[in-house]
Amino acid sequence: DIVMTQSPDSLAVSLGERATINCKSSQSLLYSSNNKNYLAWYQRKPGQPPKLLIYWASTRESGVPDRFSGSGSGTEFTLTISSLQAEDVAVYYCHQYFSIPFTFGPGTKVDIK
Amino acid sequence: EVQLVDSGGGLVQPGGPLRLSCAASGFTFSSYAMSWVRQAPGKGLEWVSVISGSGGTTYYAGSVKGRFTISRDNSKNTLFLQMNSLGAEDTALYYCARGSDSTSYSPLDYWGQGTLVTVSS
Repeated sequence: DIVMTQSPDSLAVSLGERATINCKSSQSLLYSSNNKNYLAWYQRKPGQPPKLLIYWASTRESGVPDRFSGSGSGTEFTLTISSLQAEDVAVYYCHQYFSIPFTFGPGTKVDIK
Repeated sequence: EVQLVDSGGGLVQPGGPLRLSCAASGFTFSSYAMSWVRQAPGKGLEWVSVISGSGGTTYYAGSVKGRFTISRDNSKNTLFLQMNSLGAEDTALYYCARGSDSTSYSPLDYWGQGTLVTVSS
């Protein structure tokens, strides 16, 4: 199974400041045939289901604010919130859909400092 | 508008069965793979199973393989998860989620609200 790790476990950022979340996979998520990384990022707020933010490592889902961006390739990935807003307080998960069984990272909790 | 409505959760005794359903609307159901994902109390997200748009391909997490069966009725726009031999470790909030295309290997772009399964005597 591909193991997904995230760092940090939690972080507190001032409003308007940058938040950066890292995700590592135990195997490459890059499929050479299409040059796509099978990595997604989700946002989870209390009492709500997860919301897809980023897929193919760097493609923003429709309707997601452009302050959210994804980067990385292979085994190392990053989710960046360029200017943290109050509504961004949530737990963020990375997810690999490259290999069965699909797996999620343990989550990173983002709070306001 | 895409909508996924999970149902069928509840309290079940250890070793018992339970069947979850997910009613879909607002899109061509047969064109999309569908998954079940769960979250146990105090734990993270765990992928459980996926079925292709046609229903011809299914995959399972090792923790449920042989006990759970995913299926779909494309004529009724409904996804199912038949769960047998339930144990305490299966206690969780179960979500159905839509894949972004018909194949199993796609991100999950819409999620239901979840249905709670509690396994306890």
